Amino acid sequence: EPEVTQTPSHQVTQMGQEVILRCVPISNHLYFYWYRQILGQKVEFLVSFYNNEISEKSEIFDDQFSVERPDGSNFTLKIRSTKLEDSAMYFCASNYRGNQETQYFGPGTRLLVL
Amino acid sequence: DQQVKQNSPSLSVQEGRISILNCDYTNSMFDYFLWYKKYPAEGPTFLISISSIKDKNEDGRFTVFLNKSAKHLSLHIVPSQPGDSAVYFCAAKWTSNTGKLIFGQGTTLQVKP
Repeated sequence: EPEVTQTPSHQVTQMGQEVILRCVPISNHLYFYWYRQILGQKVEFLVSFYNNEISEKSEIFDDQFSVERPDGSNFTLKIRSTKLEDSAMYFCASNYRGNQETQYFGPGTRLLVL
Repeated sequence: DQQVKQNSPSLSVQEGRISILNCDYTNSMFDYFLWYKKYPAEGPTFLISISSIKDKNEDGRFTVFLNKSAKHLSLHIVPSQPGDSAVYFCAAKWTSNTGKLIFGQGTTLQVKP
């Protein structure tokens, strides 16, 4: 069964450094999402992406964040200058019909900012 | 932002008994509700959903009930099995948006053999 994959599974970085989290959505999917879960808190929506542009972003998704689909398979989340409070589990999700169907989540990348 | 709330952080039940997980919401615009299950070191996995035009949806051992007037939904698992032990997230969305999900805090279910 096809699944969403994410790399790396864990990343440790120094505050102020740039990180890129990578996701490979299910191959025929067209809609892509990033969520994050700070330890002990709820899963929060960050951004949705369709047709090579952002469809919606949350207030968390400020200028430090960007997303890109650099080729036909990858979907990346970049944090330009990481802060301590960016430490979280980051989940990528995708689906084919956007709001008309459920989203399929990857296993997540645990980011720790020191 | 407490649009979706799961007030019970944890629940423990005996194998074979019923598990009932509850979820409340405040936003009347929500018209679709989902339950996701999450094991450690994995992403959320879709379990079951319900549209706001229905009050019940059943899939095998899992049934979701929706009470729109009370803005409340619940997930029933019958019979509960040890493999059901996981974190269960309630999520909601409204069909006019881009599909973003609003999650509750999650309830950790432990099913004891």
